[in-house]
Amino acid sequence: GQQLNQSPQSMFIQEGEDVSMNCTSSSIFNTWLWYKQDPGEGPVLLIALYKAGELTSNGRLTAQFGITRKDSFLNISASIPSDVGIYFCAGQLVKTSYDKVIFGPGTSLSVIP
Amino acid sequence: SAVISQKPSRDICQRGTSLTIQCQVDSQVTMMFWYRQQPGQSLTLIATANQGSEATYESGFVIDKFPISRPNLTFSTLTVSNMSPEDSSIYLCSVESGTGGGEQYFGPGTRLTVT
Repeated sequence: GQQLNQSPQSMFIQEGEDVSMNCTSSSIFNTWLWYKQDPGEGPVLLIALYKAGELTSNGRLTAQFGITRKDSFLNISASIPSDVGIYFCAGQLVKTSYDKVIFGPGTSLSVIP
Repeated sequence: SAVISQKPSRDICQRGTSLTIQCQVDSQVTMMFWYRQQPGQSLTLIATANQGSEATYESGFVIDKFPISRPNLTFSTLTVSNMSPEDSSIYLCSVESGTGGGEQYFGPGTRLTVT
């Protein structure tokens, strides 16, 4: 079946540093989604991407839909302690009708004050 | 975005028993989804629940073990039947945003521990 890979698996960074994480697949996706999950909570949607090459920002977060449609990255600028959590990428293979969303294994982010 | 609540938020259950998890949405939605998140793992889709039809289960999940009800457009239940310690997980319900882009909004999850 389709799989998503995320790297790095975990990150430990100093407050104020920029963060970059990515998501790759052997399959072509028509939608890329980035979620953040805090401990004890459900995932929260951060950014949704719909077109190859699309670059979208949400505050300090920026994500891009790769040209090959097989990858996406998420950048966080000037990290703060509340950025701590697990970041999941997710992809949808079919856009015209519903198909299930596949989630990556996640990147765990720790921010050192 | 939709506001989703789940009950219970957590439970500790004995093996062999069953637990029904409720999911309530503050607006009418066509598609609801149930996920399992094992400790330290990603989300795995259990089934898709549309109102008025039987749930569609993913490979590895069966109706006898995870019966689902979807009586109306704002509510669904997932039952974890004949539980074993391997069923200890977080169970999450979600709803599609309605934009057609695959975005989903998630409930806070139900943390289940089976002893």
